[in-house]
Amino acid sequence: DIQMTQSPSTLSASVGDRVTITCRASQSISSWLAWYQQKPGKAPKLLIYKASSLESEVPSRFSGSGSGTEFTLTISSLQPDDFATYYCQQYDTYNTFGQGTKLEIK
Amino acid sequence: QVQLQESGPGLVKTSETLSLTCTVSGGSMSTYYWSWIRQPAGKALEWIGRIYTSGSTKYNPSLKSRVTMSVDTSKNQFSLKLTSVTAADTAVYYCARGLNNNHVPPHYYFDYWGQGTLVTVSS
Repeated sequence: DIQMTQSPSTLSASVGDRVTITCRASQSISSWLAWYQQKPGKAPKLLIYKASSLESEVPSRFSGSGSGTEFTLTISSLQPDDFATYYCQQYDTYNTFGQGTKLEIK
Repeated sequence: QVQLQESGPGLVKTSETLSLTCTVSGGSMSTYYWSWIRQPAGKALEWIGRIYTSGSTKYNPSLKSRVTMSVDTSKNQFSLKLTSVTAADTAVYYCARGLNNNHVPPHYYFDYWGQGTLVTVSS
């Protein structure tokens, strides 16, 4: 099984900050990685696929990078709507999600 | 606009079978990989399994012995059965569409999700 580990588990930041979330895979997954945003009581929303491709209609302040085992999601300038929980997902072998990173208002 | 809607009982008794259906509207089921994903309260997402429109399935190894998925393209629906449920199976269950972009073997991420349905397992 491929395990996905996100860090940090919780991140406190302010509107306008630049933030980065890291996701590490237990083995190489090439670029088969997606990022999702989830708000309370809602389904996850796709942000990034294939490590760095921005999903249609997702704001350009979101970006993804990495390959192999280490990946990052960066939000260049936090907006009030961005406070949520973020999950990475590997889709190299089956599908596995990270444990999530909760982005809180400082 | 593609929409997915889960339906099924919100309460299932311990040791019985959980059955859910996902109805897809606004698009064809062809060429996509249809998955079930669950999320216990306050916890992470767990992929349960997927089915292709041909009927081909792949299941999470940790749940494989208890999971069966089926598809009915004439009704634009796919279904989940999870047997011998316990309290640990209590979760919000989502159906989702997997987009492959013609890769062989398939590598798919989830671009459309249902709103989720809470299933509680209790005696």
